[in-house]
This record gives sequence, C-alpha cells and structure tokens, in this order.
Amino acid sequence: DVKVTQSSRYLVKRTGEKVFLECVQDMDHENMFWYRQDPGLGLRLIYFSYDVKMKEKGDIPEGYSVSREKKERFSLILESASTNQTSMYLCASSLQGIYGYTFGSGTRLTVV
Amino acid sequence: AQTVTQSQPEMSVQEAETVTLSCTYDTSENNYYLFWYKQPPSRQMILVIRQEAYKQQNATENRFSVNFQKAAKSFSLKISDSQLGDTAMYFCAFMRLPGNTPLVFGKGTRLSVIA
Repeated sequence: DVKVTQSSRYLVKRTGEKVFLECVQDMDHENMFWYRQDPGLGLRLIYFSYDVKMKEKGDIPEGYSVSREKKERFSLILESASTNQTSMYLCASSLQGIYGYTFGSGTRLTVV
Repeated sequence: AQTVTQSQPEMSVQEAETVTLSCTYDTSENNYYLFWYKQPPSRQMILVIRQEAYKQQNATENRFSVNFQKAAKSFSLKISDSQLGDTAMYFCAFMRLPGNTPLVFGKGTRLSVIA
C-alpha cells in the first residue's frame, strides 16, 4: 500500500516562528497536495505540485510556501506563523487522481 | 470554479439501519469524477467510493452505494446496515479532468452511528 507520512501528528509553535511541515510518500507519485482542514469549512487547498521543483497555488496560499526538491517529499512552510494558521494540515499524493488520493494522518498545528 | 455542497453538517443513525448523505455540486464540465471520503476519529482519510460522470451505473462498494443524478448534479452516499465503525466525517469531492487537477471538497457531514 502507498504510504504518506507526515512527520508530526501534533505541533505547537509560537507566533512569528518559521514552521516546516514535512510530507513523504513512498510510491513514486507525481502529484502531491497540501490541504488545510477546519471545522465547518471542510478541506481547502493550499498548494499542490505535479513534479519536482514545480508548485501551483491553491485556493488559500497566503502565508504559506512549499518546497519539492525530491519527488517523494513535499514540504509546507509557514514563513511567519500566526494564530489564524492554527489548523489541521493534510498532505495527499496521487499517481492518477481519478483513482483517488492517498492521505497522510494529518498534523494538528497550534500557533500560540 | 467548481463547488461542492453538503447540506447536512451532522447526522445520526441507529446501528443496522440505512442512512443517506447528500452532496450536490456545481460545474459546467461534462466529464469529471466524484468521490466520497471517510475520516474516522483516527484522522486518516479513506476513499470510500468513486463515480465516473460518463458512467450511468451507480457505483457500489459493499455496504456503500451512490445515487448519481448527473442532470441534477447530485451525488448522495447510501450506507446500508450501518456499523459503529462507520462513525466518521464524510466528505464529498469533485475532480474535473484531466485527472491530476486537485480535488474540491465539500464541508463534510459528521455521521454518528448509535448502538
């Protein structure tokens, strides 16, 4: 089975810190995604990538950036964490999206 | 832009009963895919079922089936013989072609199965 691993399950950071959320997949998937999940808002797309060193903005990219130096790793970066970035962050990957995505277990980030 | 609407924020069902979760979507595309994902308390999102828009036949996976009404842009999920393990958030999602465009999700329905 494809596995998508998010490095932290829970994370607490201070306002203004630079935060790195790491995501690694082990099945050579081309496509990787970062979503943010908030109660009552569902999943909202932050960034996605179809290939190494390639990135595309999603619906809510403000305050975030990403890095994809290797095919298997897609990092989400909060340049200067703010309290309104407290949320659940979900990483996903796919080979062909029509067959669905494989998700990681999520990182619950709290910014204090 | 495509939108996905789940009008039931919360639902509950008795164990062994049948429940239907609703989902509507808005698109001008003719070919696309629809999905239902389950997110149990463990937080791991699991694909439940998917439907190709050009297929008339409704998809079925064991106790899970969909009612796909393309003209009405409706994609409901029916869970038969509900089990306690079905307790989860359920998300409806839309994907337009080509197949690597990102999924667009609804806001979710929290389903509780009661013993």
